[in-house]
Amino acid sequence: QKEVEQDPGPLSVPEGAIVSLNCTYSNSAFQYFMWYRQYSRKGPELLMYTYSSGNKEDGRFTAQVDKSSKYISLFIRDSQPSDSATYLCAMSMNSGNTPLVFGKGTRLSVIA
Amino acid sequence: KAGVTQTPRYLIKTRGQQVTLSCSPISGHRSVSWYQQTPGQGLQFLFEYFSETQRNKGNFPGRFSGRQFSNSRSEMNVSTLELGDSALYLCASSLEYGGSSYEQYFGPGTRLTVT
Repeated sequence: QKEVEQDPGPLSVPEGAIVSLNCTYSNSAFQYFMWYRQYSRKGPELLMYTYSSGNKEDGRFTAQVDKSSKYISLFIRDSQPSDSATYLCAMSMNSGNTPLVFGKGTRLSVIA
Repeated sequence: KAGVTQTPRYLIKTRGQQVTLSCSPISGHRSVSWYQQTPGQGLQFLFEYFSETQRNKGNFPGRFSGRQFSNSRSEMNVSTLELGDSALYLCASSLEYGGSSYEQYFGPGTRLTVT
């Protein structure tokens, strides 16, 4: 079992839809959780960063962490064609001295 | 503030050659991490440098090496290139090592093709 599992998609939704992207993980020591967006031929861009469990909202984006289920989610409200990209989850342990572990990414297409 | 820059953006090399990739972090950032991204394996951690010292290393062979200079700029080197080394190599910078350093900011990457 890989440490971080993420459905690769592709996921295709109509403009204006609510998008739900998810990752599961196996290592209960993960404490820091991130979502990155990567456009084609670009580097990943940090979208959301959360520590431990709970929700965090930033504009149209909401990140949720459920440590009891080892499950994290990213919700995108009122999705736009410009949201079409690959979304990567990433996480790290509490020690502060460990590297990020990434999911393989979910490719999202928002159709106008 | 300028972002992370990587040079060159594209590179074509022949099997057996070596290659050096360069990364300039965001001004004020002192930690630099390198990742390899392939369609099959996704993003895999190579190594992290802070204060010119390697702090972490991923599970890659010794052909992959790196260094960091006193101005925080970093280079990675791959010797004896193999076809499987074809990938997007990404550099990420963060303010410090550990603690708040989880906010990593990526450069555009260097696309390496080995023929």
